[in-house]
Amino acid sequence: LAKTTQPISMDSYEGQEVNITCSHNNIATNDYITWYQQFPSQGPRFIIQGYKTKVTNEVASLFIPADRKSSTLSLPRVSLSDTAVYYCLVGGRRAGNNRKLIWGLGTSLAVNP
Amino acid sequence: EPEVTQTPSHQVTQMGQEVILRCVPISNHLYFYWYRQILGQKVEFLVSFYNNEISEKSEIFDDQFSVERPDGSNFTLKIRSTKLEDSAMYFCASGPGGDFQETQYFGPGTRLLVL
Repeated sequence: LAKTTQPISMDSYEGQEVNITCSHNNIATNDYITWYQQFPSQGPRFIIQGYKTKVTNEVASLFIPADRKSSTLSLPRVSLSDTAVYYCLVGGRRAGNNRKLIWGLGTSLAVNP
Repeated sequence: EPEVTQTPSHQVTQMGQEVILRCVPISNHLYFYWYRQILGQKVEFLVSFYNNEISEKSEIFDDQFSVERPDGSNFTLKIRSTKLEDSAMYFCASGPGGDFQETQYFGPGTRLLVL
């Protein structure tokens, strides 16, 4: 599984757009990029997943450049409730039934009033 | 929207006691997982389960741990003789399967405290 690198923490203010970038230089051809969000004392929650270019859903956008060695999670107009830890995970087709997720420390986002 | 549920939300136990953590995965999912997260640390994979057997386990998942899917809905994690260092949040997750990196849906967790 490809290793990922994210900033440890970020600060923002309500109403701003937040972009969190993740580096994954060793991403393999069949690897997808997935982002999860975790609030304190809660389970991680799936945000978005993509393979290339841009993916958008009701919560966020995911930008993946052509070389796929990085990705950027974009949260539009954040609110206080977006304060959480955001994890970038990379993985792909599984051999057999090996589908575990390997987690890093994530990016701790603090949204200020 | 279907969700993964876990019980109990909190469990306090004495060192050496057995605990069983319970999970009800999303009903049409095929893959089931247990993860744990020690306070302030990252989420760690424990075990994955498919087709009524363990498909992979980590080095944390030693002989003190076992998993079971006793019926069509529940998925349990048993710790036979708890140790202080087993204190953590335990998360169950399930996934629908598929060829590519799947989305895993996590439960709210059980906070286990071993005294």
